[in-house]
Amino acid sequence: DQQVKQNSPSLSVQEGRISILNCDYTNSMFDYFLWYKKYPAEGPTFLISISSIKDKNEDGRFTVFLNKSAKHLSLHIVPSQPGDSAVYFCAASENFNKFYFGSGTKLNVKP
Amino acid sequence: EAGVVQSPRYKIIEKKQPVAFWCNPISGHNTLYWYLQNLGQGPELLIRYENEEAVDDSQLPKDRFSAERLKGVDSTLKIQPAELGDSAVYLCASSLASNTEAFFGQGTRLTVV
Repeated sequence: DQQVKQNSPSLSVQEGRISILNCDYTNSMFDYFLWYKKYPAEGPTFLISISSIKDKNEDGRFTVFLNKSAKHLSLHIVPSQPGDSAVYFCAASENFNKFYFGSGTKLNVKP
Repeated sequence: EAGVVQSPRYKIIEKKQPVAFWCNPISGHNTLYWYLQNLGQGPELLIRYENEEAVDDSQLPKDRFSAERLKGVDSTLKIQPAELGDSAVYLCASSLASNTEAFFGQGTRLTVV
């Protein structure tokens, strides 16, 4: 039973435009959310996080939005760059006890 | 600062053989995780250590998998005997504490033939 879902396996975006990656979760007790980026043959790299007391967190070109009522979070990358091409995983936990990961979305930013 | 180091990077073994993976976390990180990642899926937690204590091993198949972190620093994950379905990437991660973000190693890609 997947508690965190990323329903888009892939996304293709033109360089300079916005990339929006989506993530849904089922457990209303989840209170901390992370996004990781993964390049081929490397381990995931932490990108940005958000706690349930906020609905937005921004770090440079990356912004994560949390909609608790919809159990939905999204990662916005503006502007997208070719170096952003990677697989993006969202993860969620309840009080940091255990993180559940989505299956990932492969982002391709075209020059 | 060195990141999480895992070895080997790749391992090919025949089914029913044993295999072991090693992980050295980031210096000073008390929390260590072992994750399993199947193709096209996200990482799934196998076991989490706080120092040398395994605080969550509920997802570890204990009939064939074992792990240890004797001195609360580096860790080994063992499979004995390996099965075809164990082919996957085994990721180690560490964090300063259990309530901070985890940093991942490059993983060990296991192929069981």
